Amino acid sequence: EIVLTQSPATLSLSPGERATLSCGASQSLSSNYLAWYQQLPGLPPRVLIYDASNRATGIPDRFSGSGSGTDFTLTISRLEPEDFAVYYCQQYGSSPSFGQGTRLEIK
Amino acid sequence: QVQLVQSGAEVKKPGSSVRVSCKASGVTFSSYAISWVRQAPGQGLEWMGGIVPIFGTTNYAQKFQGRVTITADESTTTAYMELSSLRSEDTAVYYCAREPDPGIAVAGTYYFDCWGQGTLVTVSS
Repeated sequence: EIVLTQSPATLSLSPGERATLSCGASQSLSSNYLAWYQQLPGLPPRVLIYDASNRATGIPDRFSGSGSGTDFTLTISRLEPEDFAVYYCQQYGSSPSFGQGTRLEIK
Repeated sequence: QVQLVQSGAEVKKPGSSVRVSCKASGVTFSSYAISWVRQAPGQGLEWMGGIVPIFGTTNYAQKFQGRVTITADESTTTAYMELSSLRSEDTAVYYCAREPDPGIAVAGTYYFDCWGQGTLVTVSS
């Protein structure tokens, strides 16, 4: 099983700042099969990025994904109030697994 | 516009089983894999398994092998997840989710682009 480790666990920033979230895989992901999701309280997750760097339909361009192999990053260029949520990475090169999440909170 | 609508909340006794449904609309149901993902209170996401309705093939996470059964009824465009031998640790919100590639032959090999609203299953004596 591929284990994903997200860091930091909690990130405290202000609106307008840049957010950088990390996701590390216990083994190299084939074809960079990694997605990022945003989850707001009481709602299901929403896909932001797939295949490590492709934005999903309707996702603002302030969200971007990068990385390859075992190290991946989600960047939010300028935080909007609605961006404060929990973010998960997911790999799908093997039996799917999720990271434990990063909580992005308002500073 | 794809929409997945799940059945309502359930309260179950330890040792019993629960069946959750997920009805799809707005899309060709049979060609897309449907997976089930659960989330315990205040915890992260956990993939349980999935099905490709057009093939009837299932793929289960090792952790749930023998305890979960995922089926699909193409005539009603509904997927089902049944979990048996329930214990308190199974208390969670259960989501169905679609994989957006119609060419997938095995569930659990892509990301999830559409999710149901979630079904809370509470296991308590």
